[in-house]
Amino acid sequence: DQQVKQNSPSLSVQEGRISILNCDYTNSMFDYFLWYKKYPAEGPTFLISISSIKDKNEDGRFTVFLNKSAKHLSLHIVPSQPGDSAVYFCAASGGGSYIPTFGRGTSLIVHP
Amino acid sequence: DAGVIQSPRHEVTEMGQEVTLRCKPISGHNSLFWYRQTMMRGLELLIYFNNNVPIDDSGMPEDRFSAKMPNASFSTLKIQPSEPRDSAVYFCASRLEYYNSPLHFGNGTRLTVT
Repeated sequence: DQQVKQNSPSLSVQEGRISILNCDYTNSMFDYFLWYKKYPAEGPTFLISISSIKDKNEDGRFTVFLNKSAKHLSLHIVPSQPGDSAVYFCAASGGGSYIPTFGRGTSLIVHP
Repeated sequence: DAGVIQSPRHEVTEMGQEVTLRCKPISGHNSLFWYRQTMMRGLELLIYFNNNVPIDDSGMPEDRFSAKMPNASFSTLKIQPSEPRDSAVYFCASRLEYYNSPLHFGNGTRLTVT
């Protein structure tokens, strides 16, 4: 049973527009959330994180929003660039465990 | 910082053969993880070491899989005998264990079992 769900396998966006990647979780003990970015033939790299004591965290063009009541988080990329084309993994940890559980990933394609 | 180094990058083997994947974590990191990526299951944790000791191996699929970490700078994941359903990309990751420090991943080993 997937505790971290990324229901959109892929997303296509025009350069300069906003990309919104969504993630849902089922485990109410999760209190820390991370996004990783993965290019082909490379390993995932850490992008941005958020603790459950916050509802928003921003780093340049990347913003993560957390809605604890809905058990939902989203990653916003503004403006999107072709170099952002990659697979994005959502991950969560908590309940005394610092080991992240990953979703299946969403493939983002940003068209020039 | 050379990052996490995995070898080989690609491995093609026949069903029934033994496969050994290798990982060198980032120097100074005290936690090491083995993940497997498939289309169906995404990134799933196989095993987690802390200070060279296996802490959680509940994700290891079955007895055909084994992992070792003989010292702080080396780990292996062995599959014996291999089966076609083991075909996947296997990632090793390491981190300095504190709170929710992010994982640093290697570039993975793509395993194909025919």
